[in-house]
Amino acid sequence: EAQLVESGGGLVQPGGPLRLSCTASGFSVSKYWMHWVRQVPGKGLEWVSRINRDGSHTDYAAFVQGRFTISKDDASNTMNLQMNYLRAEDTALYYCTRDPCGGECSDYWGQGTLVTVSS
Amino acid sequence: DIQMTQSPSSLSASVGDRVTITCRASQTVYKYLNWYQQQPGKAPRLLITVASRLYTGVPSRFSGGGSGTDFTLTISSLQPEDFATYYCQQVYSSPLTFGPGTKVDIK
Repeated sequence: EAQLVESGGGLVQPGGPLRLSCTASGFSVSKYWMHWVRQVPGKGLEWVSRINRDGSHTDYAAFVQGRFTISKDDASNTMNLQMNYLRAEDTALYYCTRDPCGGECSDYWGQGTLVTVSS
Repeated sequence: DIQMTQSPSSLSASVGDRVTITCRASQTVYKYLNWYQQQPGKAPRLLITVASRLYTGVPSRFSGGGSGTDFTLTISSLQPEDFATYYCQQVYSSPLTFGPGTKVDIK
C-alpha cells in the first residue's frame, strides 16, 4: 500500500529557509503528480503546490510569491519543498499527497510535518 | 483565483439523518470539484471526484452532485464515523482552492 512520510519541519526564524521532504513507499513518485497542502492547526486546508509526473511542470498558490520550489528526486523516491523567506503566516502543518488524477485530486496523504515560523 | 464557499459552516445532526452540504465557486469550474473528509487529528480522505464520482472504497451513502458553480455533498444516513469536517476543492484552474469547510457534529 502507498505511504507518504513528511520530514523537515521545525522552528525557523522569519526570513529563514526550510526544506521539507516527503518520502514515498509502495509506489514511484515518477509515475504520479504530487502536491503539498498546508493547514494551520484548527483551521482549513490550503493548497500550496503541485508537480507533474516527470517534474517538468509545477504550479503554486498565489501566496507563495516565488518563495517556494517544489521538486522530485526519483532516485530517492521523494518530493521536496524548498521554502525561503518564510513568514509567520507560513506556520502550518504541511501535508504531501499523491495524485492519481493527473493534477486534480489527492488520494494518499502523509501525516504532515509542522512548520513554525517565529523569532 | 477561484474562491470557494461552503454552507453551512457547521451543522449538528443525529445518526441516521440525511445531511446535505453546499459548495459554491466564484466562477464556473464545470465538474472539476472534489470532496474530502477530515476527522479530528487525521489527514483528509478523498471522497468524491469530478463532482459526483465516488472514490474507491467510499461508502455509497455519500453522493455528490452539481456542476458549474453550485455543488452538493449528501450523506444519506449519517453514521458515527461521519462526524468530521468536509471540504470541497476546485481543480478546474490553478491555483487549486479549497472551501473553508463544513463541520458536522453530533446533535
